[in-house]
Amino acid sequence: TQLLEQSPQFLSIQEGENLTVYCNSSSVFSSLQWYRQEPGEGPVLLVTVVTGGEVKKLKRLTFQFGDARKDSSLHITAAQPGDTGLYLCAGGVWGGWGKLQFGAGTQVVVTP
Amino acid sequence: EAEVAQSPRYKITEKSQAVAFWCDPISGHATLYWYRQILGQGPELLVQFQDESVVDDSQLPKDRFSAERLKGVDSTLKIQPAELGDSAMYLCASTLSGGEGETQYFGPGTRLLVL
Repeated sequence: TQLLEQSPQFLSIQEGENLTVYCNSSSVFSSLQWYRQEPGEGPVLLVTVVTGGEVKKLKRLTFQFGDARKDSSLHITAAQPGDTGLYLCAGGVWGGWGKLQFGAGTQVVVTP
Repeated sequence: EAEVAQSPRYKITEKSQAVAFWCDPISGHATLYWYRQILGQGPELLVQFQDESVVDDSQLPKDRFSAERLKGVDSTLKIQPAELGDSAMYLCASTLSGGEGETQYFGPGTRLLVL
């Protein structure tokens, strides 16, 4: 059972369009991490947000952590084919020695 | 750049057989995690080590799965006997000390197919 709900499950867009992926939970997390995973590989960290309301920008990617530390969003501006992948959000479990609770992921496909 | 190593990358076995996966975390990383990722889902934690000690194995099916990290460095995950439902990607990750918000570095995974 995934305690973190990601939406949408699948997103197909054209190059140059914008997209937003959402990650929601009823639980409060110590941090929220976003990973991208490509087929046959392990996830790779994109960003960690730790403060409620925090916004981080990484080139064309903007990440936001909800004020209540229960939800997050990832926005990609002017998507490129290289942005294709499975985007996973993961919540840090309090006192869990770095334990993460992962969502089911959003598969993003950007076509030229 | 230091990486998490896993082997084998792919494994095909028949049900009821035993399989074993190996993981070598980034040097100096105290915390090691084994995850199972079923196609279309996110990774689910099976077992977590702090050095050589297990700190969380609540989701590990202990009747058939076992994991060890004897010297607090590399680790082995074993399944015996394998069942059809065990087909999945098995991922290993490590962090420096298991602190809040630390980056988990993942290996490339072992893809298991049970026939």
